[in-house]
Amino acid sequence: EPEVTQTPSHQVTQMGQEVILRCVPISNHLYFYWYRQILGQKVEFLVSFYNNEISEKSEIFDDQFSVERPDGSNFTLKIRSTKLEDSAMYFCASSDESNEQFFGPGTRLTVL
Amino acid sequence: DAKTTQPNSMESNEEEPVHLPCNHSTISGTDYIHWYRQLPSQGPEYVIHGLTSNVNNRMASLAIAEDRKSSTLILHRATLRDAAVYYCILRENYGQNFVFGPGTRLSVLP
Repeated sequence: EPEVTQTPSHQVTQMGQEVILRCVPISNHLYFYWYRQILGQKVEFLVSFYNNEISEKSEIFDDQFSVERPDGSNFTLKIRSTKLEDSAMYFCASSDESNEQFFGPGTRLTVL
Repeated sequence: DAKTTQPNSMESNEEEPVHLPCNHSTISGTDYIHWYRQLPSQGPEYVIHGLTSNVNNRMASLAIAEDRKSSTLILHRATLRDAAVYYCILRENYGQNFVFGPGTRLSVLP
């Protein structure tokens, strides 16, 4: 069964450093998403991406965040200058023209 | 913010049916009702979705009230693996993001 994969599973970084979280969506999907979940809190939407551009973003997704689909298979989330409050699980998801989103296993980001 | 209301937690015994309620009194005519669940230390997982009619799949059944202001996710025989947080979410169109609420934490007792 096709699945969304994410790397790394755990990323530790120093405050102020840049991080790139990587996702490989399901191959024939057209819609891509990033969500995050701070420990013990609800899943929060960050950004959606379709047709090589951002289609929607939340208030969380400020200028420190960017997304890219560099090579037609990967979908990345970059945080330019990490803050302590960026520590969370980051989930990538993808979907086709149906109502089901497939989520990856997540990347745990720890900012020290 | 999420437009649904769910109980914070529920408990069930293994092998028994579970009915997880969701209120969505402000649902619009084009909103689909989605259910996802999140097992411990995993990403959310699709369970089922529907618009007006009741729906069945291999995982669960979705019963939608006639006025669509509430719905119930039914797990026919709970297993220990069904212990998770269950999210009821409204969404109008595919391609839109999901707005997750706190969900219902289901505990399954052996």
